[in-house]
Amino acid sequence: EVQLVESGGVVVQPGGSLRLSCAASGFTFDDYTMHWVRQAPGMGLEWVSLITWDGGSTFYADSVKGRFTVSRDNSINSLYLQMNSLRTEDTALYYCAKERGKLIDYWGQGTLVTVSS
Amino acid sequence: EIVMTQSPATLSVSPGERATLSCRASQSVSSNLAWYQQKPGQAPRLLIYGASTRATGIPARFSGSGSGTEFTLTISSLQSEDFAVYYCQQYKNWPPVRAFGQGTKVEIK
Repeated sequence: EVQLVESGGVVVQPGGSLRLSCAASGFTFDDYTMHWVRQAPGMGLEWVSLITWDGGSTFYADSVKGRFTVSRDNSINSLYLQMNSLRTEDTALYYCAKERGKLIDYWGQGTLVTVSS
Repeated sequence: EIVMTQSPATLSVSPGERATLSCRASQSVSSNLAWYQQKPGQAPRLLIYGASTRATGIPARFSGSGSGTEFTLTISSLQSEDFAVYYCQQYKNWPPVRAFGQGTKVEIK
């Protein structure tokens, strides 16, 4: 059974930094591209970033480009999102998600990031 | 950048009735279109991919159609568990920015 478990969400001040983690199990992690998707309270889904199976390519939404960095450690089946220069508008539930054939087929339950002074 | 637009924002439907949701892409995405269902407090769930293929375990009352820029999700006879928010997402190969629509909330009439 595919499992994606996010962690690291906390309350952080504007301008601060945070690293989110996602522990994956139930599939061959290093075979798959992985994504981060976020959802602000009461709002819709916003795609944030993806990283290819080997970490060789990464892509970002314009809203986070230059501030967020996605990475992975295939030796321990883990995905990360380094978030710098955080803004109040980054407040959201952050989902880790697995890709299959270019589409997202599994999601974690999310970790909540709150950016507030 | 491809922009996905869903309509309507909210759809009020009685149980047993048909619901038709629309999704439009700002440029062609061919059949690289997925639909997700999200219930309150839950992660999204994949319903449809390739514009019209149901994901594993999805009931036959859900169907998708369209290609290019115009897509439709139809729920033939709404059950109580189908009241949720539905999102479309394009997954055109390049650039691999996976834009979502803003969602359609299907509520009980």
